[in-house]
Amino acid sequence: DAGVTQSPTHLIKTRGQQVTLRCSPKSGHDTVSWYQQALGQGPQFIFQYYEEEERQRGNFPDRFSGHQYPNYSSELNVNALLLGDSALYLCASSHDRANSPLHFGNGTRLTVT
Amino acid sequence: QKEVEQNSGPLSVPEGAIASLNCTYSDRGSQSFFWYRQYSGKSPELIMSIYSNGDKEDGRFTAQLNKASQYVSLLIRDSQPSDSATYLCAVKYSSASKIIFGSGTRLSIRP
Repeated sequence: DAGVTQSPTHLIKTRGQQVTLRCSPKSGHDTVSWYQQALGQGPQFIFQYYEEEERQRGNFPDRFSGHQYPNYSSELNVNALLLGDSALYLCASSHDRANSPLHFGNGTRLTVT
Repeated sequence: QKEVEQNSGPLSVPEGAIASLNCTYSDRGSQSFFWYRQYSGKSPELIMSIYSNGDKEDGRFTAQLNKASQYVSLLIRDSQPSDSATYLCAVKYSSASKIIFGSGTRLSIRP
C-alpha cells in the first residue's frame, strides 16, 4: 500500500521563476493538504483540497495556488519565487473525517537563489 | 496569537528516563490532537492521536489530554537515543478544518 508520494525531492530555482510540486495521496485518502516548513519551524498550513476544490487556505499570498485532480492527486504552484520561499514543502493526505490524522510525504526541498 | 504553543527546547533527558513534552492550544472547540515525530531532514510521522480527555497509551508513549485546561502532553518512558528528534503537537478543530502545528520541541536523549 503506497503512502504519500511527492516529486521532485529537491529543486533549485531562481528568484522570479515559477515552480510546480506534485503529490499523490495515500490509497483511500481523499483530502490533500500542503504545508511549508522553514528550518527550525513547525509546518505552516498553505491550503487544503477536497473534491477538487480549495476548502481552506492559510495566510499565504495568491502566488501560491493549487489543484486537485479527480484521482485525488494534487499540485502546488508558486509563482514569482522569492528567496523567502526556500523551504521544505510537505504534502499530507487524510480522510475527510474529524479524527483523521495527516500522513505526510517525504517532502520537496525548494531552494530559491 | 499563536494557536498551538510548545516549548522549543532543547529538552535534554538521560537515557532510560521519562521525557515529558507539553503543548497548549487556544481554540477551546478543538476536537482532535496529534503528536508527530520529525527527525532532522525528514518529514513528520504520526506517533499518537487523542480525542477524549484522559490518557492514551501506546507502547512507551502516553498522550494526555485536558480540554478544560486546553493542554495536551506526550510522555515517553524508557527514553532511547533513537527518540532524539523534534516533536510536533498538532490540533484540529473539526472534520473540515485545517490541522495546525506548533513549532515543535527538540528532544535530546543523552546516553
